[in-house]
Amino acid sequence: LAKTTQPISMDSYEGQEVNITCSHNNIATNDYITWYQQFPSQGPRFIIQGYKTKVTNEVASLFIPADRKSSTLSLPRVSLSDTAVYYCLVGEAGGYNKLIFGAGTRLAVHP
Amino acid sequence: DVKVTQSSRYLVKRTGEKVFLECVQDMDHENMFWYRQDPGLGLRLIYFSYDVKMKEKGDIPEGYSVSREKKERFSLILESASTNQTSMYLCASSLGTAKQETQYFGPGTRLLVL
Repeated sequence: LAKTTQPISMDSYEGQEVNITCSHNNIATNDYITWYQQFPSQGPRFIIQGYKTKVTNEVASLFIPADRKSSTLSLPRVSLSDTAVYYCLVGEAGGYNKLIFGAGTRLAVHP
Repeated sequence: DVKVTQSSRYLVKRTGEKVFLECVQDMDHENMFWYRQDPGLGLRLIYFSYDVKMKEKGDIPEGYSVSREKKERFSLILESASTNQTSMYLCASSLGTAKQETQYFGPGTRLLVL
């Protein structure tokens, strides 16, 4: 059964770096890995996307090993406003019904 | 900015009622999606549409139908609501048909079926 797995929750403190890993054994050869962030009472919003190696933008970095069976979202120097649920989204062979969201990682950032 | 709006933030319905959830996007996006979101299960795709009057089943289409009569509007229909359809429903849209296109989400509709 296709599955995208990520930790249920994580805790951190302001100013620390946070790494959230997602496992996706069945990722399709041509598909991307995308991460979304969701605040309470809002829909998810795009953070970062990558295909292989490393991608960095103004918000986060995404590390993808050569086998692409996992990925790690890295948030540098988190603040209280980074408290949210983070979802990885991975494509498996097939159409849009083969885009699989992970169950989400609830990140709590403490003062 | 892309804006995806959903007709209601909260709905309370009774078992057996027909329920309509409406979604509108204002950026001329090709694709639209309906997901349900449940604790511990993440987002699960119910239906998606890549063009007007076109629809495809997602992972969990049972008990749901959809309608896309205009490009900007995608409706989710619960023909006969049941208590196990109590959930958060999220609509999304994306510009093109490639799977890696960014999805833009609405704020969600929290549905309670009594």
